[in-house]
Amino acid sequence: TQLLEQSPQFLSIQEGENLTVYCNSSSVFSSLQWYRQEPGEGPVLLVTVVTGGEVKKLKRLTFQFGDARKDSSLHITAAQTGDTGLYLCAGEDNYGQNFVFGPGTRLSVLP
Amino acid sequence: NAGVTQTPKFRILKIGQSMTLQCTQDMNHNYMYWYRQDPGMGLKLIYYSVGAGITDKGEVPNGYNVSRSTTEDFPLRLELAAPSQTSVYFCASSYVGQMNTEAFFGQGTRLTVV
Repeated sequence: TQLLEQSPQFLSIQEGENLTVYCNSSSVFSSLQWYRQEPGEGPVLLVTVVTGGEVKKLKRLTFQFGDARKDSSLHITAAQTGDTGLYLCAGEDNYGQNFVFGPGTRLSVLP
Repeated sequence: NAGVTQTPKFRILKIGQSMTLQCTQDMNHNYMYWYRQDPGMGLKLIYYSVGAGITDKGEVPNGYNVSRSTTEDFPLRLELAAPSQTSVYFCASSYVGQMNTEAFFGQGTRLTVV
């Protein structure tokens, strides 16, 4: 079974601060995805990383896929209250059939 | 496009009752999934389907059943509800067979078993 761990579990910061959250596994994934889930809603895809060492930027969000394709990080610059939510990483298993989700990092950005 | 639609949004069941959670997608996706999300936790896969007529167990299938008679619909059945099944249930779909597969989620069904 391919498992994903995420850290930290909870993070509370002030608006304007920077933060990094992590997604780790002992297994290799063909791709990793980051989703954000807001209260009462389903997760929504932010990004997919496919190549080991890949870095993708979406405005203030920077995503990195580890060289060995076992881990990923999400860095947010100058966090805003709208960034509040549950951040989930998901790995596509090597058969391309299922997404394995991590437990998530619950981020709270305070004004 | 409506995307993935789940009904109902909320439901309270008594122990031993049964119910069906409905899920339909209009994106012609081949894969569909049912997840449950317990408070403060991530998503656990209950069942998935790779196409009409084909279903398979996920990580936590006990107490649930599914069917996939059409591409669009993937209902989840609880036969004898138990308190341990209190959770938020998410249906998702994706098109597998292309690069960068994305899962699209419904808004969830919040189920409480009392």
